[in-house]
Amino acid sequence: EVVMTQSPGTLSVSPGERATLSCRASQSVSSNLAWYQHKVGQAPRLLIYGATSRATGVPARFSGSGSGTEFTLTISSLQSEDSAVYYCQQYEDWPPWTFGQGTKVEIK
Amino acid sequence: QVQLVESGGGLVKPGGSLRLSCAASGFIFGDYYMTWVRQAPGKGLEWISHISSSGSTLDYADSVKGRFSISRDNDKNVLYLHINSLRAEDTALYYCARMRDSLNYGGDYSYYFDFWGQGTLVTVSS
Repeated sequence: EVVMTQSPGTLSVSPGERATLSCRASQSVSSNLAWYQHKVGQAPRLLIYGATSRATGVPARFSGSGSGTEFTLTISSLQSEDSAVYYCQQYEDWPPWTFGQGTKVEIK
Repeated sequence: QVQLVESGGGLVKPGGSLRLSCAASGFIFGDYYMTWVRQAPGKGLEWISHISSSGSTLDYADSVKGRFSISRDNDKNVLYLHINSLRAEDTALYYCARMRDSLNYGGDYSYYFDFWGQGTLVTVSS
């Protein structure tokens, strides 16, 4: 099973500033990496797939990078509505599909 | 637009059973793999089961194998999760999600989850 590790656990960022979230896989997952945004009481939302491709309707301020075992989600200019928990997920080696433990993004 | 609406959750005693449903609309349900993911209180996301578009291929997480059963009705556009022998640790919000295929260089497919429902809460308590 591929173990996904996210850092930091919580990120506090001022509006308009950049937020950088990290995700590490215990073995190579190639580019089969997705990022999801999850707000309380809402359905999780796909942001990024294929490590770098934005899902339909996702604002351009969200970008993904990396391959192999190291991945990054960047929010270039944080907006108040970006307050959420963000999860990375590998879909290279399945089953099981595995998620990181999440990074909570707070607005300062 | 794609909609997934879960139902069937509730309060159940340890050892009890439930059937969760996920009603799909806005896409050709029978063309897609589907999956269930859960989130225990204060915890992250845990994949628990998936089913192929025809229903011929199924998989389960070790934590639910032998107790949970996934199925689908492509005529009614509904995904199901039958959950038996419930334990306190099964208390969670249960989400269904649509799976989207991605062709790998080796010619095989991988699947990520492109649309999710809002979840149905299962609480296991005496």
